[in-house]
Amino acid sequence: DTGVSQDPRHKITKRGQNVTFRCDPISEHNRLYWYRQTLGQGPEFLTYFQNEAQLEKSRLLSDRFSAERPKGSFSTLEIQRTEQGDSAMYLCASSTPAGGGYEQYFGPGTRLTVT
Amino acid sequence: QKEVEQDPGPLSVPEGAIVSLNCTYSNSAFQYFMWYRQYSRKGPELLMYTYSSGNKEDGRFTAQVDKSSKYISLFIRDSQPSDSATYLCAKGGNQFYFGTGTSLTVIP
Repeated sequence: DTGVSQDPRHKITKRGQNVTFRCDPISEHNRLYWYRQTLGQGPEFLTYFQNEAQLEKSRLLSDRFSAERPKGSFSTLEIQRTEQGDSAMYLCASSTPAGGGYEQYFGPGTRLTVT
Repeated sequence: QKEVEQDPGPLSVPEGAIVSLNCTYSNSAFQYFMWYRQYSRKGPELLMYTYSSGNKEDGRFTAQVDKSSKYISLFIRDSQPSDSATYLCAKGGNQFYFGTGTSLTVIP
């Protein structure tokens, strides 16, 4: 068990560019969650998948954000036409149904800086 | 009104002290409550979760939920310098809501 991994760990991009982040959950975990965290704040829920199905989306997830989990394993989060307000830590977490979704294990995050 | 409110602190205590961290929540539909610890520039780490009113103990940590007052607490006994971190409370249902986190420093 290598834990949840995220790639890249850091991303610097210019405003208006598109970025994509990847999350690899713990292998036996079928639920996967995306959060955004800004300095001094707790994580904000964005969306979650059970296997390949996207079951919940926060209203925070604007049209510029899209997440996929095509084969029920890794997931990608894409931000189109980035804005400076998108600068944050993007966290991924995974869990099993036995954990009720409440035993979420987080990855190290991808820190996005939009200049 | 935020779903979960948490005093951001910072909180500073001497080693060995009992630490009390508190949150309130606003929507009774959510029944699961979690506590996470987050070190600087790391992802949150699950400490405990509970779904019922009352206490749940795990080593030096005790989580307490009072659904009648919508109040959740985490107690840390015999605090250690390694406990210095940000502590996040959260509640879960179809979506998950975190508090802002309380920064704790345990002074040797």
